[in-house]
Amino acid sequence: DAGVTQSPTHLIKTRGQQVTLRCSPKSGHDTVSWYQQALGQGPQFIFQYYEEEERQRGNFPDRFSGHQFPNYSSELNVNALLLGDSALYLCASSPVAISGANVLTFGAGSRLTVL
Amino acid sequence: AQRVTQPEKLLSVFKGAPVELKCNYSYSGSPELFWYVQYSRQRLQLLLRHISRESIKGFTADLNKGETSFHLKKPFAQEEDSAMYYCALRGHSGNTPLVFGKGTRLSVIA
Repeated sequence: DAGVTQSPTHLIKTRGQQVTLRCSPKSGHDTVSWYQQALGQGPQFIFQYYEEEERQRGNFPDRFSGHQFPNYSSELNVNALLLGDSALYLCASSPVAISGANVLTFGAGSRLTVL
Repeated sequence: AQRVTQPEKLLSVFKGAPVELKCNYSYSGSPELFWYVQYSRQRLQLLLRHISRESIKGFTADLNKGETSFHLKKPFAQEEDSAMYYCALRGHSGNTPLVFGKGTRLSVIA
């Protein structure tokens, strides 16, 4: 099992452009969460997808949107890129658990640089 | 509001010395607390969580609800413990998102 895989690993964009990041969850996981990690900061929650719907959302503007596909993979889209969007974007997957005690498995991240 | 505070950005200790990475939290209710670790060139991974009461790689952490703290401790630091450590919390209900602290970089000096 490759765990959580993310692509691309690195990319450079200019202000105003749009970007799409991709994530394949760990085998057996059906919930995907996205986090933004700016330099020197801890990861910040963007949103979570389950059953192809956005279930929870953090304090991020509508420029950040996502999608989950029937095979549980997910995309993160960011429109009208700003310099401040430069960060490591982490995808994490987890199985849905009744107890809520499930654990996130993180991918290696996609490093976005906005010039 | 949910908040996790890790007061130290960098902690340097000598090999064999005790380690304590501090974590304080703010949460209305009973949260779940976690420590995640990121070794050089590796992805973020779970180190331990308070509900399992495990000792992983010699690390332990006790939830102190009175002081709202979840400090990570190890009696004798090893060079391979050098890494970035993140404290995180979430609510008990379902798949609530993790809230992370800013992290502490632990450097173990030989």
